Amino acid sequence: KAGVTQTPRYLIKTRGQQVTLSCSPISGHRSVSWYQQTPGQGLQFLFEYFSETQRNKGNFPGRFSGRQFSNSRSEMNVSTLELGDSALYLCASAFPDSHLNTGELFFGEGSRLTVL
Amino acid sequence: TQLLEQSPQFLSIQEGENLTVYCNSSSVFSSLQWYRQEPGEGPVLLVTVVTGGEVKKLKRLTFQFGDARKDSSLHITAAQPGDTGLYLCAGAGNYGQNFVFGPGTRLSVLP
Repeated sequence: KAGVTQTPRYLIKTRGQQVTLSCSPISGHRSVSWYQQTPGQGLQFLFEYFSETQRNKGNFPGRFSGRQFSNSRSEMNVSTLELGDSALYLCASAFPDSHLNTGELFFGEGSRLTVL
Repeated sequence: TQLLEQSPQFLSIQEGENLTVYCNSSSVFSSLQWYRQEPGEGPVLLVTVVTGGEVKKLKRLTFQFGDARKDSSLHITAAQPGDTGLYLCAGAGNYGQNFVFGPGTRLSVLP
């Protein structure tokens, strides 16, 4: 069974640019969550999508957005990049509803974004 | 807002030693998970604990969920270099709430 696939793995952008990251969940998983990981803040929840609908959202500014397609693949977009957006962005997929209480989150390897 | 604290932040030990890392909160969680993250990879689930006072063993790893479901510990016996990584605890609140992650304990086991 293929794992969660994130692309690109690494990217470098400059301030003010925008970036789109992609996540392909495990086949059959309909829930996709996005997290930002930095050394100072740890893993911070961005948002979660289930069946093409945003179900939960973390405390991030509106520059951070996402969407999910009918095949459960998800993208997240960050506009007007700031230096502080440099981080590892992790995508996690889960079985329907199970992750909300006891189910397992299956993480991808992440997309490492550097903003110069 | 539910927050999780982990201690210690960093831990460097010799192969064969025992260690315990802690995950604490002032909030009650319906379940708590432990993940391990190795460099260049995403976190991988080790265990889920649900019942207050629950103890789960996974080979040399022992996980405990506090009676009040506010804290948890991970004990590793006879640590090996392969145990090196970032250990993250994650708590699930009420149904509909996403997992909250602690900042992690970075463990280094030296051969």
